[in-house]
Amino acid sequence: AQTVTQSQPEMSVQEAETVTLSCTYDTSESDYYLFWYKQPPSRQMILVIRQEAYKQQNATENRFSVNFQKAAKSFSLKISDSQLGDAAMYFCAFYGSNYQLIWGAGTKLIIKP
Amino acid sequence: KAGVTQTPRYLIKTRGQQVTLSCSPISGHRSVSWYQQTPGQGLQFLFEYFSETQRNKGNFPGRFSGRQFSNSRSEMNVSTLELGDSALYLCASSLAQGSQDNEQFFGPGTRLTVL
Repeated sequence: AQTVTQSQPEMSVQEAETVTLSCTYDTSESDYYLFWYKQPPSRQMILVIRQEAYKQQNATENRFSVNFQKAAKSFSLKISDSQLGDAAMYFCAFYGSNYQLIWGAGTKLIIKP
Repeated sequence: KAGVTQTPRYLIKTRGQQVTLSCSPISGHRSVSWYQQTPGQGLQFLFEYFSETQRNKGNFPGRFSGRQFSNSRSEMNVSTLELGDSALYLCASSLAQGSQDNEQFFGPGTRLTVL
C-alpha cells in the first residue's frame, strides 16, 4: 500500500524568504503522479503543483517548485519569495493506479511579516 | 466555467440519523471522488465514481455509500450517524479521460456536525 509522509507539522518563514516543505512516499508503482495542495483557512483545497513520475524535470509554477527524487521517493516543495497569502496547510498527495489521492498529514505554513 | 459545488455547506445532525451530501462536478468532468477530513485522521479517501460506476472504495464501513448520476453529479449517504462522522466532506472532480487528466478540482466541502 502506498503511504505519504510529511514530517514537518509546522513551518514558519519570514515574508520574502524561501521555505522548503518535505514529503516522502512509499510505493511499488513506477507510473504515478504527485501533487502539492494548499488549504487556506477557507478550507478550499487548491492545487499548487503537479509532478508526473516519468518526467525527470522538476515541475515549477511561478514561485513554487519541486525537488523530485524518484529513487529516494522524495518530493519537496520550495516556495520562493514567500507572501502572506501563502499561509495555509500544505498537503502532499500521491495518485497511482487505483483512482485515489493518498494524502500526507499536512504541514502548517506560517508567514511572519 | 463554474467550479465544483457542494450542498449543503453546513449540516447538523444527531446520532442515528442519516444524511445525504451532494456534489456537482465541473462541466465535462466524468470522475467524482469523495474524501473525509478530520483533525485526527486527516484526509481519507471514501470512494471514486466514473461514468456512474464506483471504481474504488476506501476503508469505511458500509454506512457510507455513494452514487453517481448520468449527468456526473454525485451524492454520498451516511446512515446511522455516529459522533465520529463529524468531519469536512470534500468532493473533487476530474476529466479522467486518460492518465494525464487526473488532476482533481475540489469543492468547498460540506461541514457535517453530529450531535
